[in-house]
Amino acid sequence: DQQVKQNSPSLSVQEGRISILNCDYTNSMFDYFLWYKKYPAEGPTFLISISSIKDKNEDGRFTVFLNKSAKHLSLHIVPSQPGDSAVYFCAASGQAGTALIFGKGTTLSVSS
Amino acid sequence: EPEVTQTPSHQVTQMGQEVILRCVPISNHLYFYWYRQILGQKVEFLVSFYNNEISEKSEIFDDQFSVERPDGSNFTLKIRSTKLEDSAMYFCASSPRGVGNTGELFFGEGSRLTVL
Repeated sequence: DQQVKQNSPSLSVQEGRISILNCDYTNSMFDYFLWYKKYPAEGPTFLISISSIKDKNEDGRFTVFLNKSAKHLSLHIVPSQPGDSAVYFCAASGQAGTALIFGKGTTLSVSS
Repeated sequence: EPEVTQTPSHQVTQMGQEVILRCVPISNHLYFYWYRQILGQKVEFLVSFYNNEISEKSEIFDDQFSVERPDGSNFTLKIRSTKLEDSAMYFCASSPRGVGNTGELFFGEGSRLTVL
């Protein structure tokens, strides 16, 4: 049962353009959402988060949008840079201290 | 910058053997986690640990697995009688406040387990 779904296994974008990574969830009890970035042979690194009381959170080039009614969130990276090439995982949690449930990840490739 | 450290980085073991994966979480963190990622698949939750006891575990975390915080710094994952399907990258993570309370997880670089 996939509670967090990232339906696009890969995305290719040109440098300077916008990257949009999508994530859907099924569990209405989730109230905290995070994006992690992972390079090969490294652990996931926290990127940005959003709580269910917000619909947008911005941090530099990264913006996460949350649409609770659609149970959908997206990560926008603008402008995209070659160093952004990595696997991006969407994750969700229901309450403090509980497990993060990860999606399968989307591999982003940014070409120069 | 404080980080989560894991040892060994890679362990190869024979099926049926026991392995212990070690983690040193960030020192002032209170919540500890183990996740695993089988090659090509998603990162899966195994167990969370708080206040010296398991707070949550997944279906994967059966009697074959155990966790321990033997001292004030280490957090270990023991896998008894390893199986081929236990081959994966195991990630330890820690958090100051627990997810959902503005506390993201900080992951280590992982321990790759190969069961032959």
